[in-house]
Amino acid sequence: GQSLEQPSEVTAVEGAIVQINCTYQTSGFNGLFWYQQHAGEAPTFLSYNVLDGLEEKGRFSSFLSRSKGYSYLLLKELQMKDSASYLCAVRPDTGGFKTIFGAGTRLFVKA
Amino acid sequence: NAGVTQTPKFRVLKTGQSMTLLCAQDMNHEYMYWYRQDPGMGLRLIHYSVGEGTTAKGEVPDGYNVSRLKKQNFLLGLESAAPSQTSVYFCATHPRTGGVYGYTFGSGTRLTVV
Repeated sequence: GQSLEQPSEVTAVEGAIVQINCTYQTSGFNGLFWYQQHAGEAPTFLSYNVLDGLEEKGRFSSFLSRSKGYSYLLLKELQMKDSASYLCAVRPDTGGFKTIFGAGTRLFVKA
Repeated sequence: NAGVTQTPKFRVLKTGQSMTLLCAQDMNHEYMYWYRQDPGMGLRLIHYSVGEGTTAKGEVPDGYNVSRLKKQNFLLGLESAAPSQTSVYFCATHPRTGGVYGYTFGSGTRLTVV
């Protein structure tokens, strides 16, 4: 089976750095994704990791360790607009590109 | 380009009523999905389609039916709505190739069953 664990909430200060963790267990693995979802809106794709290591995209970076079943999303220079839920998701196999989502971590950015 | 459009955006149903949610995409994506999102539970896959004329069950298919008669449209039906189907429903799409891409989501349908 598949399962993903994320903290339910994280709070950080504007301008700081925050790390959101995700641990997963899957029967197969074809990539780990991070999505951002603002309240009342649809999720939007942020990043994709399939090999171990760090992928950087501007203020956002995502890390993957396949051997540990662990990923994190790193947000730098936090802005108020980064307040949102962050969903980690895994693709167990390539069949239909089905994706399993975690429950999400709500990030609150304080001034 | 509209991307992925879901209709309606909001709906209130009485228990036992039926309705159809429409997802329309103009990106020529082969794969389409219906997810529901409930507080604390994340997105759960209801049904999906890997091409015109095909459908398959996801994680939580009971109480729902789907059809993909045209490539650009994916319909989700509730034959006899129940309060447990109160949720936010998202349609998502994905191209046939390119595993590095994430989903493109529609804006969602907020459904309340009373």
